[in-house]
Amino acid sequence: QQPVQSPQAVILREGEDAVINCSSSKALYSVHWYRQKHGEAPVFLMILLKGGEQKGHDKISASFNEKKQQSSLYLTASQLSYSGTYFCGTERPTSGGGADGLTFGKGTHLIIQP
Amino acid sequence: DARVTQTPRHKVTEMGQEVTMRCQPILGHNTVFWYRQTMMQGLELLAYFRNRAPLDDSGMPKDRFSAEMPDATLATLKIQPSEPRDSAVYFCASGGRAGTQYFGPGTRLLVL
Repeated sequence: QQPVQSPQAVILREGEDAVINCSSSKALYSVHWYRQKHGEAPVFLMILLKGGEQKGHDKISASFNEKKQQSSLYLTASQLSYSGTYFCGTERPTSGGGADGLTFGKGTHLIIQP
Repeated sequence: DARVTQTPRHKVTEMGQEVTMRCQPILGHNTVFWYRQTMMQGLELLAYFRNRAPLDDSGMPKDRFSAEMPDATLATLKIQPSEPRDSAVYFCASGGRAGTQYFGPGTRLLVL
């Protein structure tokens, strides 16, 4: 089941904040966040493995609420380089351990204007 | 700087022809994933391997697609015969520690 991302698109001024949400109807083992620029491959941002886990680097952070099967990506004081499409990828619990294939949301288009 | 490599980067072919895409995962990674991206369907998982063994290929059309991993440094995805609806960007991703997946640059396939 494909996770649902919201909003579908966001337009911001440089320096503004944004929140992108990802929710699933199924139990999740982990949530992965990627950014993709036009014509390029998705670039790994972070993975959240535990319920309630929060991670971040620079001005991008994320949280994972395992009970609600939701994750949010927070972009603070956005920069022009943050423009792109953000995807969440969800991973099911597996019995064998190790990485499982991801099911991706449809993406959130983020445009940062100067 | 360890990266996933994919060849060819672009491929234009005619309907009915065989297409082979290759991926070299990051050295030391034991999991390889194949994804396909289209405007309509987005990013979809086709198949993946762990320690060269296929674990899941339920996302692949079985009659025309096949994926193999002949050795730890090479994964292949083959389409035979190709159809226009196969036109897409095919990504290989290399699975590292703690479940991280790093994408290769992709193969842009156009089937006429």
